[in-house]
Amino acid sequence: GAGVSQTPSNKVTEKGKYVELRCDPISGHTALYWYRQSLGQGPEFLIYFQGTGAADDSGLPNDRFFAVRPEGSVSTLKIQRTERGDSAVYLCASSQTGPRGNTEAFFGQGTRLTVV
Amino acid sequence: GQQLNQSPQSMFIQEGEDVSMNCTSSSIFNTWLWYKQDPGEGPVLLIALYKAGELTSNGRLTAQFGITRKDSFLNISASIPSDVGIYFCAGQNSGGSNYKLTFGKGTLLTVNP
Repeated sequence: GAGVSQTPSNKVTEKGKYVELRCDPISGHTALYWYRQSLGQGPEFLIYFQGTGAADDSGLPNDRFFAVRPEGSVSTLKIQRTERGDSAVYLCASSQTGPRGNTEAFFGQGTRLTVV
Repeated sequence: GQQLNQSPQSMFIQEGEDVSMNCTSSSIFNTWLWYKQDPGEGPVLLIALYKAGELTSNGRLTAQFGITRKDSFLNISASIPSDVGIYFCAGQNSGGSNYKLTFGKGTLLTVNP
């Protein structure tokens, strides 16, 4: 696609439920990132994929959060046993990888998750 | 997680005025970036700085990479209504697998026509 696409754009779920958030990166981009943005804050890093593998998952807050990218393109962020504190905008970004490292990261519009 | 110290938190200015915002960090970054975020959208890159002391312009925007590598500023000249939005600084240390961005809390800019 022309840009990074995230679905759904909005998700309301009940506390304790399981949710999946999807990210379609720009075609050909090998690097993919997930960030979380709480109200009034800047985005905070969650996890970074290079191809199919998670190269850095140091930002995942706890073991309820998990992300996959099985074919090196689409990624899914999975949250188990959601809590009200998980409410935030979840942003996905992708970039190309060149000989000097990753180029500019392009962000999607985000998924606004509300846990009630 | 770590966030950069960005100021001011918000600004209310008249159209045509110049704007300045800055960002500081307790740690060194190899790259400083400035993003703008509109409501319901993801951040969009405005300017990237790769060398300490570098001064870079993009139209009415000018940004500098501090010589200590722990700070950066962004200036917007002759503001217009479409400059309204939230501006974020971000630091990055590339190399190996560490390409993650560390963001500031943002500066909310309001421009009165």
